[in-house]
Amino acid sequence: EAGVTQFPSHSVIEKGQTVTLRCDPISGHDNLYWYRRVMGKEIKFLLHFVKESKQDESGMPNNRFLAERTGGTYSTLKVQPAELEDSGVYFCASSQEFSGSPLHFGNGTRLTVT
Amino acid sequence: SQQGEEDPQALSIQEGENATMNCSYKTSINNLQWYRQNSGRGLVHLILIRSNEREKHSGRLRVTLDTSKKSSSLLITASRAADTASYFCATALVNTGNQFYFGTGTSLTVIP
Repeated sequence: EAGVTQFPSHSVIEKGQTVTLRCDPISGHDNLYWYRRVMGKEIKFLLHFVKESKQDESGMPNNRFLAERTGGTYSTLKVQPAELEDSGVYFCASSQEFSGSPLHFGNGTRLTVT
Repeated sequence: SQQGEEDPQALSIQEGENATMNCSYKTSINNLQWYRQNSGRGLVHLILIRSNEREKHSGRLRVTLDTSKKSSSLLITASRAADTASYFCATALVNTGNQFYFGTGTSLTVIP
């Protein structure tokens, strides 16, 4: 089966610009997660979709971040306008529905805001 | 706030030695999982241990869970250079559905 894919792998933008990250989960995985890791710190939860619905978005830093999952398939995470502190690696993961199902991660998008 | 916290932050051992990493967490969990991340790649699931289990094995991996101390350990036996990676624990909290919280990770270096 194809794994979780993320695009782009790297993005360098200037402060104030907009960036959209995309995640294609494994087909059939209802759960989709976004995480972020700032260098040296923990992998921080951002939000969790179940199909097209936001199950938990408590980790979203502020309203500059907007996540969508249209049709319950791929997801996008938009940052507008980007700030310096948004730099980091954004990971997407998906899993099947049952409790204890492991997360399958993409390789991440490294975002650098200058 | 951070739920899982791995210890040590960095570990360097010789090939063939055993590596032990610890994870502490704050609130009650349904299960705890360990993941490995190679540089520039995504995290890969290694092993899951449920809250009613105390020990699990998978190949050269051994995981223990002590819910009274809210801690877990990952032991890698007979380490290989290919085990060099960062290791993270992820906790699935009670009453949060399929929600997982990660720590800062342990960076393991196995010297050939």
